[in-house]
Amino acid sequence: EAGVAQSPRYKIIEKRQSVAFWCNPISGHATLYWYQQILGQGPKLLIQFQNNGVVDDSQLPKDRFSAERLKGVDSTLKIQPAKLEDSAVYLCASSFSGGVNTEAFFGQGTRLTVV
Amino acid sequence: QKEVEQDPGPLSVPEGAIVSLNCTYSNSAFQYFMWYRQYSRKGPELLMYTYSSGNKEDGRFTAQVDKSSKYISLFIRDSQPSDSATYLCAMKRSNDYKLSFGAGTTVTVRA
Repeated sequence: EAGVAQSPRYKIIEKRQSVAFWCNPISGHATLYWYQQILGQGPKLLIQFQNNGVVDDSQLPKDRFSAERLKGVDSTLKIQPAKLEDSAVYLCASSFSGGVNTEAFFGQGTRLTVV
Repeated sequence: QKEVEQDPGPLSVPEGAIVSLNCTYSNSAFQYFMWYRQYSRKGPELLMYTYSSGNKEDGRFTAQVDKSSKYISLFIRDSQPSDSATYLCAMKRSNDYKLSFGAGTTVTVRA
């Protein structure tokens, strides 16, 4: 079974520039998550999709972050404009459903450095 | 106060030692408790999953949950260099999907 695919693996941008990350979840997984993991901290949920609908985006900084999941499969996360404090690893995860007992599988993440 | 507290370490032990990791939490509504392992430059992978209080064993790994003390533990017996990783505790409420993670403890097992 193929895992969660993310690209790019690494990205370095200057502050105020824009950047986009891509995620392809495990086939058949209806639920997709984007997490932000700042160095030395645990992952923090930014947004959760169920199919192509948003379930929770309460911790997404909506003035600069946006995410979409067209056709309920792939997803993109965009930051515009980027700030220094956005430097982090952005993890995409997927699960078969959004239920409590459902395991989420994580991708390798995209490491963003804002300079 | 953070919802989930975890000592970041780092923790360095010789091969064969028992590794003891723990987390404390403040929200009594948490019912599901997990431990994830994260190798360098990789995503987290689920290691252990426990519901409510009690112990769970899987090979060399034992997870313990003490809800009365709001304290969870992970023990790794006969540790191996391949166990060197960051271990993240995570938890969630009933009927909720959102995981609350600890900061992670970095473990190095010396050969």
